[in-house]
Amino acid sequence: LAKTTQPISMDSYEGQEVNITCSHNNIATNDYITWYQQFPSQGPRFIIQGYKTKVTNEVASLFIPADRKSSTLSLPRVSLSDTAVYYCLVAGMFSGGYNKLIFGAGTRLAVHP
Amino acid sequence: DVKVTQSSRYLVKRTGEKVFLECVQDMDHENMFWYRQDPGLGLRLIYFSYDVKMKEKGDIPEGYSVSREKKERFSLILESASTNQTSMYLCASSSPPGEQFFGPGTRLTVL
Repeated sequence: LAKTTQPISMDSYEGQEVNITCSHNNIATNDYITWYQQFPSQGPRFIIQGYKTKVTNEVASLFIPADRKSSTLSLPRVSLSDTAVYYCLVAGMFSGGYNKLIFGAGTRLAVHP
Repeated sequence: DVKVTQSSRYLVKRTGEKVFLECVQDMDHENMFWYRQDPGLGLRLIYFSYDVKMKEKGDIPEGYSVSREKKERFSLILESASTNQTSMYLCASSSPPGEQFFGPGTRLTVL
């Protein structure tokens, strides 16, 4: 059974770089990796998505090694407002939509002053 | 601004009641999803739909059904609510393979 595994919690300080790794050993060829951020009392919000190698946008980078069995979300220079729960998602696509949507249990990131 | 709305933020029901949770999106997305979120378990997919009147079971469909009569609306139905269905329910929509847009969630308590 496919599964995504990520650390339960992490602590960091303002201005530091934070790396959160997700393990997805059974990832399939057509699966994408996506990361979401969730604040209390809100739905998750998209951060970044990738298939292989490295993807960067204005808020984060996503590193995916060649075997794609893990992925690492990198948040540069975190601030207090980055305190949230971060979810890794492995999603399998076909022409009509999805055939797999597996979220990790989430990593609770606490950023300290 | 893109939007996914859910009919209620908080809902309290009694065991055995039929419960309807409604979700509406204004982005003309083909795909819509229902998840439940429980502490320590993350988000688990209940059902999703990739077109009007189409539905696919997710990981935990037992005790739930869904309806999608219009593209913008996706309803989750608990035919006979039970206490173990007390949870946060999240609706989302997307156009694959893009990002999912989530609603604010409905916290359902079944007494």
